Amino acid sequence: DAGITQSPRYKITETGRQVTLMCHQTWSHSYMFWYRQDLGHGLRLIYYSAAADITDKGEVPDGYVVSRSKTENFPLTLESATRSQTSVYFCASSEVWGQYEQYFGPGTRLTVT
Amino acid sequence: AQSVTQLGSHVSVSEGALVLLRCNYSSSVPPYLFWYVQYPNQGLQLLLKYTSAATLVKGINGFEAEFKKSETSFHLTKPSAHMSDAAEYFCAVKSGDDYKLSFGAGTTVTVRA
Repeated sequence: DAGITQSPRYKITETGRQVTLMCHQTWSHSYMFWYRQDLGHGLRLIYYSAAADITDKGEVPDGYVVSRSKTENFPLTLESATRSQTSVYFCASSEVWGQYEQYFGPGTRLTVT
Repeated sequence: AQSVTQLGSHVSVSEGALVLLRCNYSSSVPPYLFWYVQYPNQGLQLLLKYTSAATLVKGINGFEAEFKKSETSFHLTKPSAHMSDAAEYFCAVKSGDDYKLSFGAGTTVTVRA
């Protein structure tokens, strides 16, 4: 199906483990974003990417790593998961020729025990 | 940097009553403004956007928003609430020179039968 997908939808992991959250979009949008959503904090930007091989830090990048070797994929890696990284993670994309609106994936609920 | 403030973290309305969600923005340039809706366990969905073409913007599901430059506001309304409108609503503004958006903290809408 066309659109933006995230996998897995739910993940439970242990403190210290490496976890990778996947994001895939079929629109060939140039921009992609990773957010985390926590009660009381709304949506906070972790990392974003303007194109393949171009990434930049957002508001809360510590403890996360991203890569973008292909336009359609934007994986987010937690190198050594901590309990404070328990959250719902959303991926989004935006097209260069649009009007800056972003399109969101369904989210990944991550629990770090 | 541009930002938005949503007044009221929770709004409760009766079915059939007016829904009014408040959003104020800060921006030194003409803004791009958005309203998103998030249903439980789902990603954010674009309701409507303001891009300077018209001050009254109509969106999906009967929602509309009015841009008022003098008040730096972009309030969201719906004349008659439906049970299916129960969700969380986010106001957002284009932030900075690139394609990032800055989101408000969100307003949860409850609809009473």
